Amino acid sequence: AQSVSQHNHHVILSEAASLELGCNYSYGGTVNLFWYVQYPGQHLQLLLKYFSGDPLVKGIKGFEAEFIKSKFSFNLRKPSVQWSDTAEYFCAVNLAWGTGGGNKLTFGTGTQLKVEL
Amino acid sequence: ETGVTQSPTHLIKTRGQQVTLRCSSQSGHNTVSWYQQALGQGPQFIFQYYREEENGRGNFPPRFSGLQFPNYSSELNVNALELDDSALYLCASSLAVNSYNEQFFGPGTRLTVL
Repeated sequence: AQSVSQHNHHVILSEAASLELGCNYSYGGTVNLFWYVQYPGQHLQLLLKYFSGDPLVKGIKGFEAEFIKSKFSFNLRKPSVQWSDTAEYFCAVNLAWGTGGGNKLTFGTGTQLKVEL
Repeated sequence: ETGVTQSPTHLIKTRGQQVTLRCSSQSGHNTVSWYQQALGQGPQFIFQYYREEENGRGNFPPRFSGLQFPNYSSELNVNALELDDSALYLCASSLAVNSYNEQFFGPGTRLTVL
């Protein structure tokens, strides 16, 4: 079964610092990759996704992620974080599955990011 | 466009009881997935419904069951509640069951089992 690992459970940064959150997955086949964010008191929402093509994908709010197939990784980056980026970040993997293809998501355990002023 | 809604927001039950959670999918979405998010963990897939049929199930016992209605809204039922069932239950809808379709999440129902 596929799994997703996020190695940093809690990250504290000062505003304007650079961010990189690690995500590794275990599955040898074709995957779709996602980063979701959950701001305090809000729903999970999609930050960015990778299906195919350019392994460097750009998402909302200045976030980007790089898919490195040989390392089974999909790390999230932002050059300069803001206080408003304080949130929990989840990496997720999706496989084509089920009678109609399916879009079950397997999530990592999440990384709680706190950005200090 | 109305997003995914869930009810109730919070629920407290005791061991052995049964609970029903409800989800209204986003307009035009025919696929609904349910996830359980325990404290400090990422969401775990429970099952998915596509056009009123179960379209896959995660590693959850049969006392977790569901329904999808003709308007694509959905219910999650849990029988014989256990303490470990305490969690945030998330519903997500998508335009279709294809794996390239973004899932839109609701705010969740916080279930506490005493």
